Amino acid sequence: DAGVIQSPRHEVTEMGQEVTLRCKPISGHDYLFWYRQTMMRGLELLIYFNNNVPIDDSGMPEDRFSAKMPNASFSTLKIQPSEPRDSAVYFCASRRSGTATYEQYFGPGTRLTVT
Amino acid sequence: SQQGEEDPQALSIQEGENATMNCSYKTSINNLQWYRQNSGRGLVHLILIRSNEREKHSGRLRVTLDTSKKSSSLLITASRAADTASYFCATASNSGGYQKVTFGTGTKLQVIP
Repeated sequence: DAGVIQSPRHEVTEMGQEVTLRCKPISGHDYLFWYRQTMMRGLELLIYFNNNVPIDDSGMPEDRFSAKMPNASFSTLKIQPSEPRDSAVYFCASRRSGTATYEQYFGPGTRLTVT
Repeated sequence: SQQGEEDPQALSIQEGENATMNCSYKTSINNLQWYRQNSGRGLVHLILIRSNEREKHSGRLRVTLDTSKKSSSLLITASRAADTASYFCATASNSGGYQKVTFGTGTKLQVIP
């Protein structure tokens, strides 16, 4: 299994530009999570999906952030317009319901730098 | 404040020593999980302990849970340089029919060879 795949691994963009982060969860997993990690705020849950439906987006910081999951094998997190304070590492994770361990599998992350 | 807060924030020990990290939380939980994050990588699940369990072992890992004190500890015995990483507790609780997982602030462990 390839694990959770995220792209790009690194993104450098200028303030005001649109940024799109992509995630491919592990096949068969029906939960997908988007997290943001910074030194100041730690690991924050932004949004999660179950069977492609957004369940809780209360962690999305502002309307500039949006996430979609058009099918079971793909999700995007979009920031428009981007700001320097959005600089962070963004992780996607997935898991399968019905497992005893509730283990989330994390991708390698996308390091976003907004200048 | 965050649901899970680890203590200490950072820990430096010699190889072969034991490392103990603590996690405190505020609300009732279904289970508590521990994850490891190596520098520049995603988190990796280590172990889960359910709210009705008090202790669990997995290899060199030992986890305890005290629901009356709302705290958990992770013990790594006979530490190795490869254990150098950040360790996070994650509490799982019911939220609108789903299980919501909230990660703590993490403990940065350095094992000196």
